Amino acid sequence: NAGVMQNPRHLVRRRGQEARLRCSPMKGHSHVYWYRQLPEEGLKFMVYLQKENIIDESGMPKERFSAEFPKEGPSILRIQQVVRGDSAAYFCASSRANDNSPLHFGNGTRLTVT
Amino acid sequence: QKEVEQNSGPLSVPEGAIASLNCTYSDRGSQSFFWYRQYSGKSPELIMFIYSNGDKEDGRFTAQLNKASQYVSLLIRDSQPSDSATYLCAVKASGSARQLTFGSGTQLTVLP
Repeated sequence: NAGVMQNPRHLVRRRGQEARLRCSPMKGHSHVYWYRQLPEEGLKFMVYLQKENIIDESGMPKERFSAEFPKEGPSILRIQQVVRGDSAAYFCASSRANDNSPLHFGNGTRLTVT
Repeated sequence: QKEVEQNSGPLSVPEGAIASLNCTYSDRGSQSFFWYRQYSGKSPELIMFIYSNGDKEDGRFTAQLNKASQYVSLLIRDSQPSDSATYLCAVKASGSARQLTFGSGTQLTVLP
């Protein structure tokens, strides 16, 4: 499957634990985006990354959330000390380098905080 | 705040009819416009993209763009029950930003 790969599909964490979400972009794509979708709500932009660079993190909460896209391996979205309000679907998307390239989404990670 | 507005619906149309979905955006410099379909519990799936004023057709789908009115729409001809989903309008802002800003989506139900 050459699509955007996200894992895990479902993640359950207790309050205070850490959540790590992984995303491998489509083949040939060098740009990665993370979005969050709360139940019955739209997609909210969190962060945009290229390899080893955070380009725009204007949608990321200032505390507990971080993202990286290392030279080797998948992009990681990390949420420290999770709270119930972090429960959501987290979608990763990727695109090619040209300006108007559409975003292609992975299947998402459904995070549940108990 | 750059915004993308959609009627949340729900919009119901009978099978075989034309479904019309509308979207307005606030950033006059926006360059690229996308329509995604999202089935319940699934990920967004790209349906159409349009960059220039006018119409763009792909099968049963037609995207229409009017930059002067800051308006983009999606028409679905010969609607099928399998088209029942939430349709998300997304806009790429002006400038160097590559991320898309999404509307809250319009829920479409096609009645058999």
